[in-house]
Amino acid sequence: EVQLVESGGGLVQPGGSLRLSCAASGFTFSSYEMNWVRQAPGKGLEWVSYISSSGSTIYYADSVKGRFTISRDNAKNSLYLQMNSLRAEDTAVYYCARFVDGMDVWGQGTTVTVSS
Amino acid sequence: QPVLTQSSSASASLGSSVKLTCTLSSGHSSYIIAWHQQQPGKAPRYLMKLEGSGSYNKGSGVPDRFSGSSSGADRYLTISNLQSEDEADYYCETWDSNTRVFGGGTKLTVL
Repeated sequence: EVQLVESGGGLVQPGGSLRLSCAASGFTFSSYEMNWVRQAPGKGLEWVSYISSSGSTIYYADSVKGRFTISRDNAKNSLYLQMNSLRAEDTAVYYCARFVDGMDVWGQGTTVTVSS
Repeated sequence: QPVLTQSSSASASLGSSVKLTCTLSSGHSSYIIAWHQQQPGKAPRYLMKLEGSGSYNKGSGVPDRFSGSSSGADRYLTISNLQSEDEADYYCETWDSNTRVFGGGTKLTVL
């Protein structure tokens, strides 16, 4: 079964850091482009970051550029999102998603709350 | 970069059909999009990829009741024989060389 499982979410103070992980199974992870997408409470979907299958190409949304870092370990079938200098507006459910002509597989999400 | 516009809400009766619209911004009318469904409290689910020609490819397990079509910059998702479980938020998505974009979503209510 194709599956993505996120972890690492939690409560963090403004200015703090958090590292999210996404474990992939059921497909050849190293062959696929991946993304992070977030959803603030009661709001729509917001794309956060993209990484190519090899990790050589990376893009970020302007809202997180310079603060978040996406990475992957193909040997471990894992995707990561290092989040620094967190702000209240980063509070959201964070999803990892595989990309094949659209985000065709989604994880269940992990919740990040930024609050003092 | 492209912008996707969706109506904020729609409603239709149980057993009827509904057509949701996603409109691409000027200069991006040829773009491929994807449709996603998000039921309350759940993660999004991929429904289909939809091209400007109207050709679409559905994801695994997506019921036959879901179909796609296109006209110019508009991309449509039609749901036939509406069921209660179709009550959900529906998002369209597109992508460019260095970005991915979501529409604001349409909240579908099944009456």
